[in-house]
Amino acid sequence: QLQLQESGPGLVKPSETLSLTCTVSGGSISSSSYYWGWIRQPPGKGLEWIGSIYYSGSTYYNPSLKSRVTISVDTSKNQFSLKLSSVTAADTAVYYCARLLFTSFDYWGQGTLVTVSS
Amino acid sequence: QSALTQPASVSGSPGQSITISCTGTSSDVGGYNYVSWYQQHPGKAPKLMIYDVSNRPSGVSNRFSGSKSGNTASLTISGLQAEDEADYYCSSYTSSSTLKVFGGGTKLTVL
Repeated sequence: QLQLQESGPGLVKPSETLSLTCTVSGGSISSSSYYWGWIRQPPGKGLEWIGSIYYSGSTYYNPSLKSRVTISVDTSKNQFSLKLSSVTAADTAVYYCARLLFTSFDYWGQGTLVTVSS
Repeated sequence: QSALTQPASVSGSPGQSITISCTGTSSDVGGYNYVSWYQQHPGKAPKLMIYDVSNRPSGVSNRFSGSKSGNTASLTISGLQAEDEADYYCSSYTSSSTLKVFGGGTKLTVL
């Protein structure tokens, strides 16, 4: 059974960089059939796609976040990571990692709350 | 404001059927058969219920069905059960630079 697990600091100061890692178990991140993605959900609000990455390193980002986002992959550790720079309170959200099968996210991590506050 | 429009809430009694709509444009919902639906219970991660407009992943009850007409996709839940009470989100591929958009979500209440 495929499992995804987000990890990283739960509190980030304004203007700093948010860094999260998603560890994939029960399957290989190097599978040619899938992309891997990050999605976030501000408290009490809807879902927002942040970006996606292929095991080769090819990336796609939401244009609204593109200038601040970097997604990378480490196939040796079966992990992919998210960096979001210059964060503000508006970036406070639950961050999910997920597997992207064509255009649908079919497996999700449990999510991790990241709060931006001094 | 979300790119896809969903009703904020719908409700139904156990055993009844309900339909949740998801309205977009010809650049997303209307232009491609890449609409997905997700169920999210409070404090939990979303769960894929429908992909590519009308396909159910393995393990999802056949009480859930999806369809599309023009720029509007729909999720229908038949034989409502208490466990169906949750938030539901639609999503679509889009030809805009955004690539992937979500609806604002619909809260389903089982009366």
